[in-house]
Amino acid sequence: KQEVTQIPAALSVPEGENLVLNCSFTDSAIYNLQWFRQDPGKGLTSLLLIQSSQREQTSGRLNASLDKSSGRSTLYIAASQPGDSATYLCAVRWAGNNRKLIWGLGTSLAVNP
Amino acid sequence: DTGVSQDPRHKITKRGQNVTFRCDPISEHNRLYWYRQTLGQGPEFLTYFQNEAQLEKSRLLSDRFSAERPKGSFSTLEIQRTEQGDSAMYLCASSLRTSQTGEQYFGPGTRLTVT
Repeated sequence: KQEVTQIPAALSVPEGENLVLNCSFTDSAIYNLQWFRQDPGKGLTSLLLIQSSQREQTSGRLNASLDKSSGRSTLYIAASQPGDSATYLCAVRWAGNNRKLIWGLGTSLAVNP
Repeated sequence: DTGVSQDPRHKITKRGQNVTFRCDPISEHNRLYWYRQTLGQGPEFLTYFQNEAQLEKSRLLSDRFSAERPKGSFSTLEIQRTEQGDSAMYLCASSLRTSQTGEQYFGPGTRLTVT
């Protein structure tokens, strides 16, 4: 069964810390993996998409890595700010005719000033 | 604005009523997806269209739910005889079949509250 797990479920850090969010998935035959941000009661903002052939993607203070063989992706946030406080969701699309995204439960991040 | 749009953004309804949501994808996108997200959970796939054809439906989509995309452009999701358990955020996404990345672009969602 194709599943996505995110650890930790919640994280609270002081402003300025570098932090890592983890996403693990069963079945290494993925097509791509996306990281999203969701503010309370709001929709989804796409942060980074990593294709199965890629090892990492970077956007500003965000860096996402992918290790298919171990079934893991990490989202690294550098120099965290209170504005980074949100829920971060990992979603995987597997190869084949399956077009849908399978989601983790998310990591709720609080960055304290 | 050329992104995915959804209407309404919020809907409060009484149990037993029917509701209909609309999604307008990015204009050239031929794939359209519906997801549902309940409080504290990640989104769950409901259904997927390629052009006007509904190609996959989740078991979550009970017979009270119906989705259409009649002309291969906008889509509607109808819930009949709503139940309190239907309260959730309903998210729509679209993508381009020929896209190399297959990235799905999400709308702002419709939040449904069933009282």
